[in-house]
Amino acid sequence: SQQGEEDPQALSIQEGENATMNCSYKTSINNLQWYRQNSGRGLVHLILIRSNEREKHSGRLRVTLDTSKKSSSLLITASRAADTASYFCATDGTTDSWGKLQFGAGTQVVVTP
Amino acid sequence: KAGVTQTPRYLIKTRGQQVTLSCSPISGHRSVSWYQQTPGQGLQFLFEYFSETQRNKGNFPGRFSGRQFSNSRSEMNVSTLELGDSALYLCASSLRTGEGNTIYFGEGSWLTVV
Repeated sequence: SQQGEEDPQALSIQEGENATMNCSYKTSINNLQWYRQNSGRGLVHLILIRSNEREKHSGRLRVTLDTSKKSSSLLITASRAADTASYFCATDGTTDSWGKLQFGAGTQVVVTP
Repeated sequence: KAGVTQTPRYLIKTRGQQVTLSCSPISGHRSVSWYQQTPGQGLQFLFEYFSETQRNKGNFPGRFSGRQFSNSRSEMNVSTLELGDSALYLCASSLRTGEGNTIYFGEGSWLTVV
């Protein structure tokens, strides 16, 4: 079973626009990680945010975490055609399950030139 | 620094056969985990190994098994293949040292069962 939901399921934007996607989860977490997956490829790690952090930035990426609402958001600013991919959030729970990530269903992002 | 390496990248098997997939983690990483990705079920956790011991297991039948060697390399095996086992199998590695445990994935092994 999957930990949570991503919203929206699909997003179509033009180059230069911002893309925002949300992730909700069900149980307490240690960390939340965002990944990108290009069609047929593996997962590329984007950013990790710890449960005691509220916001994190990496280049054009901004991630927020609200543990009271059990939700996170990923913002990609000034999107490019190369950002076209599926984006997944993944959580790990207790210390005993560090290596056990639970994934959402993903958001499919299409960026048109 | 080399990333997570998985072999083979693509393979086709017949129902009833068995398959072994291999994973070499990032140098220094002692935790290796495996995931199955299908269009219907999404990304699902199979199992995780740390220092040659299985630490966590997902909800998969006993036909799915794995092991980890002393050099942290890992293999997973699926016996008596079924059509529904067709999927992308992803291996991931991490240091597993505590908070901020970044998990890195390989390119995956595409398995088609015919």
